[in-house]
Amino acid sequence: DIQMTQSPSSLSASVGDRVTITCRASQGISNYLAWYQQKPGKVPKLLIYAAATLQSEVPSRFSGSGSGTDFTLTISSLQPEDGATYFCQNYNTVPRTFGPGTKINI
Amino acid sequence: QVQLVESGGGVVQPGRSLRLSCAPSGFIFSSYAIHWVRQAPGRGLDWVAVISYDGSNKYYADSVKGRFTISRDNSKNMLFLQMDSLRAEDTAVYYCARDSYPFCGGDCHIDYWGPGTLVTVSS
Repeated sequence: DIQMTQSPSSLSASVGDRVTITCRASQGISNYLAWYQQKPGKVPKLLIYAAATLQSEVPSRFSGSGSGTDFTLTISSLQPEDGATYFCQNYNTVPRTFGPGTKINI
Repeated sequence: QVQLVESGGGVVQPGRSLRLSCAPSGFIFSSYAIHWVRQAPGRGLDWVAVISYDGSNKYYADSVKGRFTISRDNSKNMLFLQMDSLRAEDTAVYYCARDSYPFCGGDCHIDYWGPGTLVTVSS
């Protein structure tokens, strides 16, 4: 099975900061990587798929990059509403493993 | 709009069974693969199972293989998760979630999620 890791597990940043989260797959998954945002008590929300494609209506301050085993999610200018946990997910194979998450504190 | 609504959660004793349901609307259910994903309290997302659009292919996480069964009834627009031999570690919110494209061959991301139903396994 492909294992997904994320770093850091949590971070604190200020409004306006540029924030980058890293996701690593234990084997190459091409660009079959999605990013989800989850706020407390809420359902996960799709942000990015195919490693770099922004989901409709997601603010352009979010961007993704990477291929193979190493991926990043970047928030170019952090906003108060971006405080949440972010998960990456492999959808190249089953099991469709998720990363453990990165919690962003504003 | 696309909606998925789970039901059937509750409190159950270890070793017992529970059946979850997922009712979709706003899209052609019979064209899409559907997943179950769970989240234990305060923990991350844990993929459980997926069933192809026609029910012919089913895949499971190792942690539930042999205990959980995913199924669907396209004539009634319903998805199910039969959970047997439940353990305390199965306690979680269970989400049903849709593949992003119809008739996907297995490499589509999840785009829509239901609100989830809480399963608590406790004596």
